[in-house]
Amino acid sequence: DTGVSQDPRHKITKRGQNVTFRCDPISEHNRLYWYRQTLGQGPEFLTYFQNEAQLEKSRLLSDRFSAERPKGSFSTLEIQRTEQGDSAMYLCASSLRGSSVYNEQFFGPGTRLTVL
Amino acid sequence: KNEVEQSPQNLTAQEGEFITINCSYSVGISALHWLQQHPGGGIVSLFMLSSGKKKHGRLIATINIQEKHSSLHITASHPRDSAVYICAAGGGHSGGGADGLTFGKGTHLIIQP
Repeated sequence: DTGVSQDPRHKITKRGQNVTFRCDPISEHNRLYWYRQTLGQGPEFLTYFQNEAQLEKSRLLSDRFSAERPKGSFSTLEIQRTEQGDSAMYLCASSLRGSSVYNEQFFGPGTRLTVL
Repeated sequence: KNEVEQSPQNLTAQEGEFITINCSYSVGISALHWLQQHPGGGIVSLFMLSSGKKKHGRLIATINIQEKHSSLHITASHPRDSAVYICAAGGGHSGGGADGLTFGKGTHLIIQP
């Protein structure tokens, strides 16, 4: 499978615990995005990387959230001291930044987080 | 107020009907996506367009840049088309990164046999 993959697909945790999600983009894609989707809402932008550089973070990304893409390939999103409000679907997408002004994004299946 | 508005929020139709979902946006964009999301969460990109019209099978997407409006049409709808359809604006606007997306809330479509 050469699409975007995410792991785990589901995570249930207790409030206050730390969780980490992984995203593997399409192999030649240099841009990677994280989005969050709560029930009944459209996804919301969290952050994105070009290669290993984190270029922008949304104001939605509190200090408890940190994302990395250390080698410009896979990325991790960590949430520390989880709260019930963090329960959501966390979506990853990747794109190839080329000569075009804008490039299509391809989405992974998402990680559904439930905080008890 | 969301920068990307979709209508209707919910739509139930009979198999075979012609379906139209509308999207209006208030931000400058480089491209507009139509996405499909099935229960379980996976998102599939249906179209990315910056002008005119695109067609893929029974799906047609149009965009009017001047009016900042796009429509997704489904001809000869089928129960397997039941899903959430999301409009997303990309590039050249705040909130979504350099080409991160700003999403509408989605249209929940149910096609009854």
